[in-house]
Amino acid sequence: EVQLVESGGGLVQPGGSLRLSCAASGFTFSSYSMSWVRQAPGKGLEWVSYISSSSSAIYYADSVKGRFTISRDNAKNSLYLQVNSLRAEDTAVYYCARDSWIQVNYYYYYYMDVWGKGTTVTVSS
Amino acid sequence: EIVMTQSPATLSVSPGERATLSCRASQSVSSNLAWFQQIPGQAPRLLIHGASTRATGIPARFSGSGSGTEFTLTISSLQSEDFAVYYCQQYNNWPQTFGQGTKLEIK
Repeated sequence: EVQLVESGGGLVQPGGSLRLSCAASGFTFSSYSMSWVRQAPGKGLEWVSYISSSSSAIYYADSVKGRFTISRDNAKNSLYLQVNSLRAEDTAVYYCARDSWIQVNYYYYYYMDVWGKGTTVTVSS
Repeated sequence: EIVMTQSPATLSVSPGERATLSCRASQSVSSNLAWFQQIPGQAPRLLIHGASTRATGIPARFSGSGSGTEFTLTISSLQSEDFAVYYCQQYNNWPQTFGQGTKLEIK
């Protein structure tokens, strides 16, 4: 069974840091790109970051650029999100998601086909 | 950044009836459009990718259509488990962006 399990969330003060993890199983992790998506309480979904299978391509939402760092360890089937300089508006459930892809001509397009259950980050003093 | 706009914000439909949800992109996203279902307290679930391709295990009552800037998700005969929030998302350009969601509620 394909599974993603997030961990590492918690209550942190403004300006603090956390390292979120996502453990993957049931598929060849090293063959897939991965993403993080968050959802603030009562709000919609916001894409946060993307990392390619070999870590050669990384993208961030403007709202987190310079504060968050995505990484992965293919030997450990794990995805990470280092979140620094946290603000109240970063309070959310953070989901990791597997990216499947289609190829059109020379371009690849990635969509999120499997999601974890999420880990909650609360930023408050 | 491509802005995705969903309508209506809330849709009230009776079980067994058809529901039609709309999604508009601020510029063309070709067919690189996905639909997700989210039941309260749960993670999103992929329903449709490529604007019209059902994801694995998704019932045939869910169908997607459209290309460019206008997209539709149709649920042909609503079941009790279909009442949820639905999001469209474009993955044609970075950053990937979601619509604000349509809440499908029981009438």
